[in-house]
Amino acid sequence: AQSVTQPDIHITVSEGASLELRCNYSYGATPYLFWYVQSPGQGLQLLLKYFSGDTLVQGIKGFEAEFKRSQSSFNLRKPSVHWSDAAEYFCAVGEEYGNKLVFGAGTILRVKS
Amino acid sequence: EPEVTQTPSHQVTQMGQEVILRCVPISNHLYFYWYRQILGQKVEFLVSFYNNEISEKSEIFDDQFSVERPDGSNFTLKIRSTKLEDSAMYFCASSQGNLALHFGNGTRLTVT
Repeated sequence: AQSVTQPDIHITVSEGASLELRCNYSYGATPYLFWYVQSPGQGLQLLLKYFSGDTLVQGIKGFEAEFKRSQSSFNLRKPSVHWSDAAEYFCAVGEEYGNKLVFGAGTILRVKS
Repeated sequence: EPEVTQTPSHQVTQMGQEVILRCVPISNHLYFYWYRQILGQKVEFLVSFYNNEISEKSEIFDDQFSVERPDGSNFTLKIRSTKLEDSAMYFCASSQGNLALHFGNGTRLTVT
C-alpha cells in the first residue's frame, strides 16, 4: 500500500531564508507525486506535481521539488521564504491509472520576521 | 481560474440525523472525490467517482455514506445517520483524470 511520510510536524524559518520540506513515500512502481498547501480555513491548493521526466519540477509561488528515486523522496524547496508562505504543506502520492491520492500528515510552516 | 465550490461551509447537526454535503466540481472534470480531515489529523480519502460509479472507497466509507451525481453539475456526499466521530472538515475534489486534484474550501461538519 502507498504511504507518505513527512518527518517534520513543524518548521520555523526566517523570512528570506531558504526552505526545504521533506517527503518520503513508499510505493512499488513509479509514483505520481504532489505537493499541496493549505492556509487556515481554506482548501488544499496544488503547488506542483511530478509524473515523469525531469526530476526537478517547478511549481507556483516560486516552489520547486526534486524527485529522487534512490531515496524515495520528493522534497519541496524554496530559495527565499516570504511571510505569506506560512501555511500547512502536504505531500501526496498516487499511481498511474489510480483512483486516489494518499496524503502525508502535513508540515506546518511558520515564518518569523 | 475555475474552482470547486462546496456548500454549506459549516453544517451543524445532531447525532443520528442525515446530512448532505454538496459540491460543484470544475465543469470539464470527469473524476470526483471526497476526502475528510478530522481536526489535527491527516487528510483521509473517502471515495472516488467516475462515470456515475464509485471507482474506489476507503474503509471509512461504510454503509452510512453514499455519493451521487444527481445532475450534470452537482456531486453530493450523504451521511445517513451521523455519529460524533463524523465531525470533520469534508473536502470535495475533481480532476481531469491525472490525479492532479483541485479541492474546494471544504464543509466543516459538527455533530452534536
